Amino acid sequence: SQKIEQNSEALNIQEGKTATLTCNYTNYSPAYLQWYRQDPGRGPVFLLLIRENEKEKRKERLKVTFDTTLKQSLFHITASQPADSATYLCALNSNSGYALNFGKGTSLLVTP
Amino acid sequence: EPEVTQTPSHQVTQMGQEVILRCVPISNHLYFYWYRQILGQKVEFLVSFYNNEISEKSEIFDDQFSVERPDGSNFTLKIRSTKLEDSAMYFCASRSGSTGELFFGEGSRLTVL
Repeated sequence: SQKIEQNSEALNIQEGKTATLTCNYTNYSPAYLQWYRQDPGRGPVFLLLIRENEKEKRKERLKVTFDTTLKQSLFHITASQPADSATYLCALNSNSGYALNFGKGTSLLVTP
Repeated sequence: EPEVTQTPSHQVTQMGQEVILRCVPISNHLYFYWYRQILGQKVEFLVSFYNNEISEKSEIFDDQFSVERPDGSNFTLKIRSTKLEDSAMYFCASRSGSTGELFFGEGSRLTVL
């Protein structure tokens, strides 16, 4: 069956450090992979999309890598701030292309 | 900035009652979605809707659920006879045809007693 796995344990880091979150998947052949942010009680908010032929993508302090051989994406937040504290979700399209399936998410806490 | 709007923000209902959750997607978007999130759990795909029909649905989306786009702006999720386990946050989302990113509403919290 298709699986999207993210670190289930919360990640606690100090302000200013780089946070690295991992997403592994099985039984997907994605054309692209997405990362979203979710704050408590709110809807997910799109952050970045990376295509299968892109190794790396950056947006301000965010960086995403995508390794289709390892079936893994890494999501980095550099110079982290307390405002970055949230749950980060990895998402992949189903093979039909219509459904977007989410991982459980990794909770990030950035302390001053 | 255009946004997806959902109503009601919170609904409390008795088990066995019908519930309709409403969504207004972003106006030029072509694909519409419903997701649910049970408290403390992951965001789960329910159904996608394109070109006035269901394009994909999950195992969760059984005969108790239905979706409609009754006019050019609204997109609704109906739960025919609610169960306790339907208590969750329900998110509507939409996307344009040109990009893969989804835009989510703020959700409708459903509590079934």
